[in-house]
Amino acid sequence: EPEVTQTPSHQVTQMGQEVILRCVPISNHLYFYWYRQILGQKVEFLVSFYNNEISEKSEIFDDQFSVERPDGSNFTLKIRSTKLEDSAMYFCASKWGVGETQYFGPGTRLLVL
Amino acid sequence: GENVEQHPSTLSVQEGDSAVIKCTYSDSASNYFPWYKQELGKGPQLIIDIRSNVGEKKDQRIAVTLNKTAKHFSLHITETQPEDSAVYFCAASKGGFQKLVFGTGTRLLVSP
Repeated sequence: EPEVTQTPSHQVTQMGQEVILRCVPISNHLYFYWYRQILGQKVEFLVSFYNNEISEKSEIFDDQFSVERPDGSNFTLKIRSTKLEDSAMYFCASKWGVGETQYFGPGTRLLVL
Repeated sequence: GENVEQHPSTLSVQEGDSAVIKCTYSDSASNYFPWYKQELGKGPQLIIDIRSNVGEKKDQRIAVTLNKTAKHFSLHITETQPEDSAVYFCAASKGGFQKLVFGTGTRLLVSP
């Protein structure tokens, strides 16, 4: 069964450094999402992406965040200058079409020191 | 915006018992309600979902009910097994390509 994959599984970085989290959505999916989950808390929406542009973003997704689909298969989340409070599990999700189910990847655990 | 409340935060049952998790939502425009199971260190996995034109949906030991008037929906797991132990999240969406808004999660522990 097709799966959403994410790399790396864990990332440790120093405050102020840039990080890029990578996702490979399911191949025929058209809608892409990033969510995050701070330890012990609920899953929170960050951004949705369709047709090579952002469809919606949350208040969390400020100027330090950006997303890109550089090559038709990868979907990346970049944090330009990480803060301590960016430490969380970041999940990528994708879905085929309007009204369809979102499928989540296994996540990248980001720790900012 | 949409707000989803989920109860209880933890639920302990004996194997074979039933478990019920309840969620309420605030935005009457929400029309899609999935339930996800999250095991330790993994991403959320969809276990069942319901759309607003349906009041109940069942898949083997799992069922979901929706009351649009009261704006609440519930997950029912019958004949629980130890492998059902996980964190369960409800979510709501306005459909289309809209985001999911998640509840706070319920940690279910099924004891043998």
